[in-house]
Amino acid sequence: GQQLNQSPQSMFIQEGEDVSMNCTSSSIFNTWLWYKQDPGEGPVLLIALYKAGELTSNGRLTAQFGITRKDSFLNISASIPSDVGIYFCAGRPQGAQKLVFGQGTRLTINP
Amino acid sequence: DAEITQSPRHKITETGRQVTLACHQTWNHNNMFWYRQDLGHGLRLIHYSYGVQDTNKGEVSDGYSVSRSNTEDLPLTLESAASSQTSVYFCASSGRDRVGEQFFGPGTRLTVL
Repeated sequence: GQQLNQSPQSMFIQEGEDVSMNCTSSSIFNTWLWYKQDPGEGPVLLIALYKAGELTSNGRLTAQFGITRKDSFLNISASIPSDVGIYFCAGRPQGAQKLVFGQGTRLTINP
Repeated sequence: DAEITQSPRHKITETGRQVTLACHQTWNHNNMFWYRQDLGHGLRLIHYSYGVQDTNKGEVSDGYSVSRSNTEDLPLTLESAASSQTSVYFCASSGRDRVGEQFFGPGTRLTVL
């Protein structure tokens, strides 16, 4: 089946630092999404991207839909303690309404 | 406000028992999905439905079944629970307009002893 490679698997940073993570696929996707999951809760949608090259922001979060349609990036600027959690990328293949998820990036912030 | 709920939030059962996990959404979404989340595997799709009376198998469907008799509900049944099915289960839904934007429930933690 289709797989997404998400990296890094984990990050340990200082409060105030910027964060970058990415997701790559061997297949083309029509939609890229980024979710955040807090402990004991379901994933929450952060950003959805629908066009190749699209750059979208949501507060301190910025995500991009790669030109090749096989990758996506998420950046978090000036991290704060509430950014701690697991971030998942997800892609929607052509013609499908289901998603393929990456393995997640666990973000830990040292105050 | 529209929402998606799951029940129970926690369940302990024994090997071989039948278990049903409930998922209810008030978004009026056509699409509903069941995932399981295990350490090291991320979110894996079990079953999904694109509308009433429609069901489809995901990548890890063995041992699970679903039925869709109305728009709001997609119950997940474990026919004969196995220890390998100990996991956290998430239900999600999405609409026709913003295809791909799935909204997740809070999850059900299932332990099979």
